[in-house]
Amino acid sequence: AQSVTQLDSQVPVFEEAPVELRCNYSSSVSVYLFWYVQYPNQGLQLLLKYLSGSTLVKGINGFEAEFNKSQTSFHLRKPSVHISDTAEYFCAVRENNAGNMLTFGGGTRLMVKP
Amino acid sequence: NAGVTQTPKFQVLKTGQSMTLQCAQDMNHEYMSWYRQDPGMGLRLIHYSVGAGITDQGEVPNGYNVSRSTTEDFPLRLLSAAPSQTSVYFCASSYTTGGNTIYFGEGSWLTVV
Repeated sequence: AQSVTQLDSQVPVFEEAPVELRCNYSSSVSVYLFWYVQYPNQGLQLLLKYLSGSTLVKGINGFEAEFNKSQTSFHLRKPSVHISDTAEYFCAVRENNAGNMLTFGGGTRLMVKP
Repeated sequence: NAGVTQTPKFQVLKTGQSMTLQCAQDMNHEYMSWYRQDPGMGLRLIHYSVGAGITDQGEVPNGYNVSRSTTEDFPLRLLSAAPSQTSVYFCASSYTTGGNTIYFGEGSWLTVV
C-alpha cells in the first residue's frame, strides 16, 4: 500500500518570498501525484497533477511541482507567495492500478506574513 | 453545474444518535467517495462507490454505512454517533479513469458530544 509524507506541518514565510512544500511517497507501483489546496472552511481544490510525461508540472496560481522518481518526491514550489496563498496544502497519491482511491499526506499549513 | 453538493454544512449530534450526510453530484461521475479529515492526518477514505449499486470499504469504514441507489447520490450514514467521529467529512466524485481529477464538496463539520 502507498503512503504519503509531508515533511513540514507548518511553513511560515514572508510575502513575496519563495516557498517549497515537501512531499515524499512510497509505492511499489507507478503512481499519479496530486497537490490540493484547502482555504479556511472550504473544500479541496486541485492545484496540479502529474500523470506522465514532463516531470515539471505547472498548476494554478503560479504553483509548480517536480516529480522525482528516484527520490520518490513531488515537492511544490512558488517563486513569490502572496498573502492570499495562506492555506493548507495536501499532497496525494493514486496508484495507477487502484481505481480512484487517493492517499493523502497529513497536510502543510502555509502561513504567509506581510 | 453545481458540482459536488454536501448537506448539512454543520451538525451537532449527541452520542448514540444516528444521522445521514447527503452528497449529490451533477457531473454524471461513476466514482464517488467519502473522506474524513482530522488534524495532522490528512484525509482518510471511509467508503467509495464505482457505480450505482456498488460500494466498498476504504481505510476507516467502521461506524459508517453507505448506499448508492442512483448515479447522482451517495449518502453517508452514522449508525450510532461516537465522539471519535467528530470530524470534517468530504464527499468526492470523478470519472473512473485513474488520471481524472477528483472533485470535492465543501465539507460537513460534524461534532459529537
